Amino acid sequence: DQQVKQNSPSLSVQEGRISILNCDYTNSMFDYFLWYKKYPAEGPTFLISISSIKDKNEDGRFTVFLNKSAKHLSLHIVPSQPGDSAVYFCGGNTGKLIFGQGTTLQVKP
Amino acid sequence: NAGVTQTPKFQVLKTGQSMTLQCAQDMNHEYMSWYRQDPGMGLRLIHYSVGAGITDQGEVPNGYNVSRSTTEDFPLRLLSAAPSQTSVYFCASSYSAGEREQYFGPGTRLTVT
Repeated sequence: DQQVKQNSPSLSVQEGRISILNCDYTNSMFDYFLWYKKYPAEGPTFLISISSIKDKNEDGRFTVFLNKSAKHLSLHIVPSQPGDSAVYFCGGNTGKLIFGQGTTLQVKP
Repeated sequence: NAGVTQTPKFQVLKTGQSMTLQCAQDMNHEYMSWYRQDPGMGLRLIHYSVGAGITDQGEVPNGYNVSRSTTEDFPLRLLSAAPSQTSVYFCASSYSAGEREQYFGPGTRLTVT
C-alpha cells in the first residue's frame, strides 16, 4: 500500500518557465508534507515543507500547495533554472517519513 | 561537524553473505532511519529509531536487522544477502521524529550477485 504516490516519473521544462511537480497521498494522518531534492551520487536534501493545516507555503522560487480534500499536493518552481534539474521526492510524516517514487526534473537552457 | 557518514560507499556481495552497513552522525540527533532507493520505487523506509535502545520497522524491513546502542550509530545488517537487496542505501537523522528536515548521508551502493 503506497501511502505517497508521484505518478509522473519525469518532467522536462524550459529554463525560465514554471515547473509543477505533483504528489498524491492516501494517509490522512500525515502531520505535514515535505519535498526533498536529490542530485546524482548525493543524499537527498530538504527543500520545503507544509503543515497539514495549511494550504500554501512559499520559499523564494518554490511554493507548495496542499489540497486536503483531493489528498494532493504540488510543488511549483518559478522560474525554473538548469540547476533545478534533479530528482524530487514528495514525503509525508506521521512520526516516520514516507516518500513517493520521485520525479526527475530536467530544466533545459 | 561531519554530519551523517556512511561506510562503505560501494560493496559487492555474493548471495547468502552477510554484512553491516555503517551509519554515524555527530549532531546528537535522536531520530535515525534507513532508506533504500530503487528505480521506479523511490525511497522506501526500512527501519527507524527514535532514540538509543528503540527501533521500529518501516515499509520494507524483511531481510534487514538494526540496533541502536548509542545515539551516534545506527548500523544496518543484512543477514543473508539476496539479489533483491541490490540497491542504494541512505541513512538519515534529525533531532526528533517530528523534525521537518532530516539530514541524509551520501549513500552506500550495494550489489548482490
